[in-house]
Amino acid sequence: GAVVSQHPSWVICKSGTSVKIECRSLDFQATTMFWYRQFPKQSLMLMATSNEGSKATYEQGVEKDKFLINHASLTLSTLTVTSAHPEDSSFYICSATNQGNTEAFFGQGTRLTVV
Amino acid sequence: GESVGLHLPTLSVQEGDNSIINCAYSNSASDYFIWYKQESGKGPQFIIDIRSNMDKRQGQRVTVLLNKTVKHLSLQIAATQPGDSAVYFCAENMSADTGRRALTFGSGTRLQVQP
Repeated sequence: GAVVSQHPSWVICKSGTSVKIECRSLDFQATTMFWYRQFPKQSLMLMATSNEGSKATYEQGVEKDKFLINHASLTLSTLTVTSAHPEDSSFYICSATNQGNTEAFFGQGTRLTVV
Repeated sequence: GESVGLHLPTLSVQEGDNSIINCAYSNSASDYFIWYKQESGKGPQFIIDIRSNMDKRQGQRVTVLLNKTVKHLSLQIAATQPGDSAVYFCAENMSADTGRRALTFGSGTRLQVQP
C-alpha cells in the first residue's frame, strides 16, 4: 500500500510554545489529507480536512486559530499546534488519500506531550 | 468469545482460538467499511474492507461480515496469535465520498491474546 510518513513521531514541548507536525505522502499525490486526534483509550476524532491549495475545513469544536493546517503541495500537509497547553497533549494522526481512492493511508502518528 | 465495540472494551482470547470483534454503525447511507488494527503508539493499519453489495469478505485469517439490516459489522480472526494483540477499529464511509470525506471511526475493541 501507499506510504504516509508523519514527523516527528513524538515531541515534548513547553506550555505556550508552538509545535509543527508534518504529514507526507511518499509515493502518491494526496489531494486530501485528514488530521485526527486520539486521546488515551479513545477512538480517532477528526479535527480537520485539508485539500491541497485551499483552506482546511475544521470540525465543530476545533479552533482553527489554534490548530493551523497548511496543505501547500500534493505531498505535504502540516499541523501546527499554537500556544500549546497540557490539555493539547494527545496522539495526532494524519491520513492521506486522492480522489477516487477508496483507501485512506495513515501516518504513524505523533505523540505530543505539553509540559 | 465476542465483544461489542463500546467504550473500548477488551476481548481476551487464548492463542489459537478464533476471535470475533463486533461493531455497530449508525449511518445507513454508509456503503464502504474498513477494519483497522492499531498497535500501541502507532497509526491505524488497514486489515480488510467490504462494500455494501457484499455481506462477507475473506482475507488471510480474517473475515468481515456485514449485516446492513441491523447496521452491524464483525471481524473474525482465525487462529488468533499474540501478534494480533492490538486495538481494532471499524470505520465507515460513503464510497461516493471516498477521497474527499473522512472515515468515521467506531469506538474500538482491545484484543488481548493470552499465550
